[in-house]
Amino acid sequence: SQKIEQNSEALNIQEGKTATLTCNYTNYSPAYLQWYRQDPGRGPVFLLLIRENEKEKRKERLKVTFDTTLKQSLFHITASQPADSATYLCALDGRGSTLGRLYFGRGTQLTVWP
Amino acid sequence: DTAVSQTPKYLVTQMGNDKSIKCEQNLGHDTMYWYKQDSKKFLKIMFSYNNKELIINETVPNRFSPKSPDKAHLNLHINSLELGDSAVYFCASSQAMAGSEQYFGPGTRLTVT
Repeated sequence: SQKIEQNSEALNIQEGKTATLTCNYTNYSPAYLQWYRQDPGRGPVFLLLIRENEKEKRKERLKVTFDTTLKQSLFHITASQPADSATYLCALDGRGSTLGRLYFGRGTQLTVWP
Repeated sequence: DTAVSQTPKYLVTQMGNDKSIKCEQNLGHDTMYWYKQDSKKFLKIMFSYNNKELIINETVPNRFSPKSPDKAHLNLHINSLELGDSAVYFCASSQAMAGSEQYFGPGTRLTVT
């Protein structure tokens, strides 16, 4: 079965720095990869989607890369702010028999301190 | 305007009881989902419906029965509740079954005592 690993459970960085979160996966070839943000007591909120034939996607201070050879996605938040503190989830989006399924990693809890 | 809403937000009940959680989306999406997030925050898909038809049943015990009366609603009924069912249940919807962002509801925290 597919396995998704997000680099660490927690990441603490100083305001203004770039946060880099890693998502590695095995036993799977997703057609898409998505990133979500989850705040305590709330549902996940979609951030970015990247297709297997795309190397990089940007949205404001966010950047996602997708390397299907390494089976890895990197999620960057530049000029981080305390308001970026949250749990970030990567999710693999299926194809074929797994169409319609999003498989989530356990998330990385990001804390940005002033 | 709430895109995906769930009721109730909290549900505390005893083992053996039957309970339901309701979900509604006003986004006009064709696909709806139920996810379970356990105490370790692992979010796992349970069911997926497309146009009121069950598409995915991710090896969920048959005590869990989803029902979609129309495209905007997906309810979850749970029979004979067990301690291990305690979790946060999220409803979500999307425009398409793949390659489409999902919109999540606020979650229902179920506690079984």
